[in-house]
Amino acid sequence: GENVEQHPSTLSVQEGDSAVIKCTYSDSASNYFPWYKQELGKGPQLIIDIRSNVGEKKDQRIAVTLNKTAKHFSLHITETQPEDSAVYFCAASMSSTSYGKLTFGQGTILTVHP
Amino acid sequence: NAGVMQNPRHLVRRRGQEARLRCSPVKGHSHVYWYRQLPEEGLKFMVYLQKENIIDESGMPKERFSAEFPKEGPSILRIQQVVRGDSAAYFCASSLAVSQGQYYEQYFGPGTRLTVT
Repeated sequence: GENVEQHPSTLSVQEGDSAVIKCTYSDSASNYFPWYKQELGKGPQLIIDIRSNVGEKKDQRIAVTLNKTAKHFSLHITETQPEDSAVYFCAASMSSTSYGKLTFGQGTILTVHP
Repeated sequence: NAGVMQNPRHLVRRRGQEARLRCSPVKGHSHVYWYRQLPEEGLKFMVYLQKENIIDESGMPKERFSAEFPKEGPSILRIQQVVRGDSAAYFCASSLAVSQGQYYEQYFGPGTRLTVT
């Protein structure tokens, strides 16, 4: 089955700096890659996603890039703010076989210091 | 505009008891997923259900765990004879529709945190 590796496991930045989180996946058939933000005591919330026919997608301060050849994708957060502090999860899915079933990475604890 | 609702939010059970976790999807959603999150780990897929059907239960332990999504009412994840290793956060997600080649956002509930003593 699919395996998703995520790093770093923890990331600490100063307010205003950029943060980058990287994920690799194992199955070349995966074609949907969402990113979720999870705050303490809450469920994951989708913040951005990318499909395999697109190399990059941006939404205000958040961007995601996908390299299908290398089988990795990254989340970029610019101008970080303290409220960006949370756990971030990447995930992968194969629409051809899994009907939306998501395989998650291990998570990255992002801390933004004021 | 209610999102996915899960109850209870916290559940404490003694070893050997049964745990029943409930999930009400977003109004109009007929597809439900259950995921389990062990402490300091990512979410692991357990089961995918449509109304009255289990579509994919490849992530469910073979024994003690069962799930249903009846025509009326919430989806239920049942864990019989709980053990300490079942302690985790259980999340439900729902989506509008699912089909091959299409993607529909999964909306997650706040989770049920199960503690087995």
